[in-house]
Amino acid sequence: DTGVSQDPRHKITKRGQNVTFRCDPISEHNRLYWYRQTLGQGPEFLTYFQNEAQLEKSRLLSDRFSAERPKGSFSTLEIQRTEQGDSAMYLCASSLGVRMNTEAFFGQGTRLTVV
Amino acid sequence: AQKVTQAQTEISVVEKEDVTLDCVYETRDTTYYLFWYKQPPSGELVFLIRRNSFDEQNEISGRYSWNFQKSTSSFNFTITASQVVDSAVYFCALSASNTGANNLFFGTGTRLTVIP
Repeated sequence: DTGVSQDPRHKITKRGQNVTFRCDPISEHNRLYWYRQTLGQGPEFLTYFQNEAQLEKSRLLSDRFSAERPKGSFSTLEIQRTEQGDSAMYLCASSLGVRMNTEAFFGQGTRLTVV
Repeated sequence: AQKVTQAQTEISVVEKEDVTLDCVYETRDTTYYLFWYKQPPSGELVFLIRRNSFDEQNEISGRYSWNFQKSTSSFNFTITASQVVDSAVYFCALSASNTGANNLFFGTGTRLTVIP
């Protein structure tokens, strides 16, 4: 296991369609995060899982967004009824431990383009 | 509220020059962590360093060094003898105990270009 893996790397979708992204964290990492990054900006936190429990959700995560992490392994992020404003890079990260603020390892992201 | 400011949007240096990337942060928490990440063109954020608010010792790792000063709320990053491979976007980030402590607030990044 060489790192956090995200699939797909690129996704182009028409406005109004639903999309789902997948993230496979580093094995045994109990924490998993989703971030969104738009052009020229730093990543913005979306949501966080500890094992299978979703413990935090940002206000950025509208009702059209849902994330799951069944069995505390991989995670999916679904966006329903996509809008052009959803176009961004979606980054997944994972970390290990019970202490706060251990370093997070990021995947290469899924770039979403809504046309 | 938490805030990270990276005032330098873009920096260009000639190879072998030293360069310092500035980071200024704001938080009301007394316990917080500061990070630097590198984002090369491939897009993957690479962790460089984490410091906690109680440890103001400067750190050196090879050509990289970090200067943490609580008095000025700054956590600056210096690359010595820059190389072309250092070309990337560098992000400073903050994680504070009052925010849930599990998410990072990122600055807008500084794009560093090292010219051969």
